[in-house]
Amino acid sequence: QKEVEQNSGPLSVPEGAIASLNCTYSDRGSQSFFWYRQYSGKSPELIMFIYSNGDKEDGRFTAQLNKASQYVSLLIRDSQPSDSATYLCAVNGGDYGQNFVFGPGTRLSVLP
Amino acid sequence: DVKVTQSSRYLVKRTGEKVFLECVQDMDHENMFWYRQDPGLGLRLIYFSYDVKMKEKGDIPEGYSVSREKKERFSLILESASTNQTSMYLCASSPYTGSTGELFFGEGSRLTVL
Repeated sequence: QKEVEQNSGPLSVPEGAIASLNCTYSDRGSQSFFWYRQYSGKSPELIMFIYSNGDKEDGRFTAQLNKASQYVSLLIRDSQPSDSATYLCAVNGGDYGQNFVFGPGTRLSVLP
Repeated sequence: DVKVTQSSRYLVKRTGEKVFLECVQDMDHENMFWYRQDPGLGLRLIYFSYDVKMKEKGDIPEGYSVSREKKERFSLILESASTNQTSMYLCASSPYTGSTGELFFGEGSRLTVL
């Protein structure tokens, strides 16, 4: 059974701080890693994806992947109240792109 | 932009009724998925399809069936709705690009079974 775990929330950070969201996965064959943001009552939307070890930056967001440790993280710099949402980590390793496994999500609150 | 459209945002049904949830995507994606999302349980895969008339069971297929007669359309069917199927249902699609394709989600269908 493939599993994806995320740090339990809710996570609260003050506005302007760095929010750090963590995710571990059990399947060493996993190849692709995604971070989705989900606002309350809305569907998930993709923030970032990462395939290779190391860091990937996109604006205020940085994804970090360490396949040896089976660990992926998302850093949000200069957090804003609009970043308050649930963040879902998803892992994919299937041949047809169908083996997406989601973590339970971490709820982030950015306090003004 | 990829658009995944779910036919109903909110439905209220009675126990034992047959329920159809429809999903259409406009980007010629090979893969389509049905998830349900419940508080504390996260997103759970019900069924997926990687081609017309093809379907594969996900983690929680019991009580559900699916139909994919055309590439752009993937339907979820609850043959006899029960109260424990009250949930948010999310349809998603992805292109076949090996393991790197991302999921594009519809807006969700919130089903209440009384």
